[in-house]
Amino acid sequence: ETGVTQTPRHLVMGMTNKKSLKCEQHLGHNAMYWYKQSAKKPLELMFVYSLEERVENNSVPSRFSPECPNSSHLFLHLHTLQPEDSALYLCASSQGVTSGGNPYFGPGTRLTVL
Amino acid sequence: DAKTTQPPSMDCAEGRAANLPCNHSTISGNEYVYWYRQIHSQGPQYIIHGLKNNETNEMASLIITEDRKSSTLILPHATLRDTAVYYCIVRVAGGATNKLIFGTGTLLAVQP
Repeated sequence: ETGVTQTPRHLVMGMTNKKSLKCEQHLGHNAMYWYKQSAKKPLELMFVYSLEERVENNSVPSRFSPECPNSSHLFLHLHTLQPEDSALYLCASSQGVTSGGNPYFGPGTRLTVL
Repeated sequence: DAKTTQPPSMDCAEGRAANLPCNHSTISGNEYVYWYRQIHSQGPQYIIHGLKNNETNEMASLIITEDRKSSTLILPHATLRDTAVYYCIVRVAGGATNKLIFGTGTLLAVQP
């Protein structure tokens, strides 16, 4: 595996379900990000992790719970979601301490909440 | 909030150069200009970035005006596979993370 991978690629869940999105980076980066992209809207930055510590939470509802157990893995735990949470969820990673640390994005998870 | 302004859409004929403009009139001296593109429903792909000087790589060229208030991304020979949304982003150099704040971008449609 190379780059940034995300699983699952597609997910359909009910409002009462609990599910998790997984992101793994194989680039040796030390910062990871979750973005949300709703239909016809710009990408919205949700969470930022640097060296496994959460450094930014952009007013994301508590029904989204991130977890970064190590520098290579990032999870987004989902519970009691709403239909408006249906979106493409993108993970990215970067080498955070240098100006040349271009974020690399995964392919995304297409989430549908019924 | 995004600090860049881009046209919402542009057309380009296949094989011709595509020139995508971006205004960033409030850019600071330590902010880089980044370009990414997103092909439908895929993750954004890095293209190029620069600070003051013009830059070129295997994908594109980036021309930054002397006052740094605007820039142009040039795809020298556009193909149908270059149809995508192109994002121009300004980002502060260094720091603990390299987060990107995306705007609405330019939808480039390459026509056969």
